[in-house]
Amino acid sequence: QSVLTQPPSVSGAPGQRVTISCTGGSSNIGAGYDVHWYQQLPGTAPKLLIYGDTNRPSGVPDRFSASKSATSASLAITGLQAEDEADYYCQSYDNSLGGCYIFGTGTKVTVV
Amino acid sequence: QLQLQESGPGLVKPSETLSLICSVSGDSINRNSFYWGWIRQPPGKGLEWIGSVFYSFSTYYNPSLKSRVTISLDTSKNRFSLRLTSVTAADTAVYYCATLYVKPGYNIGYNYMGVWGKGTTVTVSS
Repeated sequence: QSVLTQPPSVSGAPGQRVTISCTGGSSNIGAGYDVHWYQQLPGTAPKLLIYGDTNRPSGVPDRFSASKSATSASLAITGLQAEDEADYYCQSYDNSLGGCYIFGTGTKVTVV
Repeated sequence: QLQLQESGPGLVKPSETLSLICSVSGDSINRNSFYWGWIRQPPGKGLEWIGSVFYSFSTYYNPSLKSRVTISLDTSKNRFSLRLTSVTAADTAVYYCATLYVKPGYNIGYNYMGVWGKGTTVTVSS
């Protein structure tokens, strides 16, 4: 089953900017499917952070932003805060083998 | 405000069937704006989509689980359910139900999981 590859961890000091990459292939991101991002705080359910490549749901701070190109996407957090320490997952759709929603491998963001 | 709540047994024996219910409040499951889905997360691991159902009762399953999964709607009780047969220890996970928002004019490949339940832990063990 195809997956989206993310770095296992990234870290930054409060106030800094961090980015998380999400690398796919020609049957998912490269096929034009949207990329979405989820934040999972410790011990809680995932929460939608970005949908449709670049859109923030109501209530999500504008220091979260995302972009997409070719077969990859990225999430940026500017002005990093302690409350941003969480796991982050990208998600898209893969049209091989019958079609399937796929998630990234997940990235742990640590505020040092 | 749309809310989802999972319920079901926390312990299932190997080879038996896992059955979970997701109760929906704040909106009707009988709408064409949403799909309804299940996602799971094994301990310490990432997320895996299990399958989704539409108000028309159309279903879509993860190919790796398709032979063992059934997702169905109960419109009279505004809830949907998951059945996973022949479970093994590898099916031990937190199971989440979620609402998949439809992107107007696009196929299911553009849906995203807009609202999640809090999750329920299922352990497969004798």
